[in-house]
Amino acid sequence: GESVGLHLPTLSVQEGDNSIINCAYSNSASDYFIWYKQESGKGPQFIIDIRSNMDKRQGQRVTVLLNKTVKHLSLQIAATQPGDSAVYFCAETRKTSYDKVIFGPGTSLSVIP
Amino acid sequence: GAVVSQHPSWVICKSGTSVKIECRSLDFQATTMFWYRQFPKKSLMLMATSNEGSKATYEQGVEKDKFLINHASLTLSTLTVTSAHPEDSSFYICSARTASGRATNTGELFFGEGSRLTVL
Repeated sequence: GESVGLHLPTLSVQEGDNSIINCAYSNSASDYFIWYKQESGKGPQFIIDIRSNMDKRQGQRVTVLLNKTVKHLSLQIAATQPGDSAVYFCAETRKTSYDKVIFGPGTSLSVIP
Repeated sequence: GAVVSQHPSWVICKSGTSVKIECRSLDFQATTMFWYRQFPKKSLMLMATSNEGSKATYEQGVEKDKFLINHASLTLSTLTVTSAHPEDSSFYICSARTASGRATNTGELFFGEGSRLTVL
């Protein structure tokens, strides 16, 4: 069925390096995408979002890229820090009657000091 | 920023008992609240959408008689796990959307910190 998925379940990076987390989606009707960070035992924390009429959006140390042609989005974290260690989820909303937000399977990011 | 509070943050109960989890929007009115369930090292799975004053809409495969959802006010939604069994042990997370509609620059939703249920 239609879903949001991730290519890599785990990712280890050296402190100071850049991290790239990928996500694939299958529903071309998805029009809004969000990246969340979840630390152990806590709820998801908003990182950055992007609408389908954009292909790139930058925040503080983070950038989200959207490629609608191949239904792919990525989260780039610059100068990764130990505090970035967490599970990262991409999520989508679709133009349904109640706009539910569906989460992808998640990527665990581990930063090596 | 907007805050969503969940209570209790963790609960342990005996098999066969019922457990209620509350989700409150502390500084905004939430016309819609969502309930998610998360197993260890897994993603958040949407269970149901709760709209104030109306019946909740459940996702396919979620038993509505098992997971009772009530959204009696614009600031409170409750999830009751009835006759809980060990397989119901999970992390339950609620989220809320403001009454004004899409919450720009916040990822649509404000999330609670989750409630960990352990059924013995």
